[in-house]
Amino acid sequence: GNSVTQMEGPVTLSEEAFLTINCTYTATGYPSLFWYVQYPGEGLQLLLKATKADDKGSNKGFEATYRKETTSFHLEKGSVQVSDSAVYFCALSKYNNNDMRFGAGTRLTVKP
Amino acid sequence: GAVVSQHPSRVICKSGTSVKIECRSLDFQATTMFWYRQFPKQSLMLMATSNEGSKATYEQGVEKDKFLINHASLTLSTLTVTSAHPEDSSFYICSAPGDNYGYTFGSGTRLTVV
Repeated sequence: GNSVTQMEGPVTLSEEAFLTINCTYTATGYPSLFWYVQYPGEGLQLLLKATKADDKGSNKGFEATYRKETTSFHLEKGSVQVSDSAVYFCALSKYNNNDMRFGAGTRLTVKP
Repeated sequence: GAVVSQHPSRVICKSGTSVKIECRSLDFQATTMFWYRQFPKQSLMLMATSNEGSKATYEQGVEKDKFLINHASLTLSTLTVTSAHPEDSSFYICSAPGDNYGYTFGSGTRLTVV
């Protein structure tokens, strides 16, 4: 079945460090891929998305490229800030929006 | 953009009582609403899918008599935790399908059963 695997955390970085959170997926066909962010005590917010191969999603300095050949959607940011501290979820969706699958989440802590 | 309003954000209740959580789609119609449970430091676990005008579909292992879901209208879905026990303490989140295959999430409800 469809599934998402993302790197386990927690990840701790210093401010302005480079961030990579790996995400790979297993799916038939062509899923849409997402990164969601969850700040403490809140629900999930869509960070970025890509709906077809080679698309690059970007938002707030974060980027992820849909790589069909490696079935990956790694999240990157060139210079993290303390305010980026949150839990990040990779997800995929197929079939009319009714089959969203989430990774386990990666907790990021950015220290000043 | 699409907004899902979830209430309450926090609730503390006594064992044996029932708690209702509401999710409303504010500027769009949600024929489908998903209910998730999230344990500390873990991912979201899909509990059930509610559909306006029909019975909810529950995931395997989720007690439908304990977690009552009602999708009363195109903008309102409710989850009632009946006869709550401390092990039901968790973070509950609803979401509705948005455009371009994304989901719009509510802000979550922290339930503590004492």
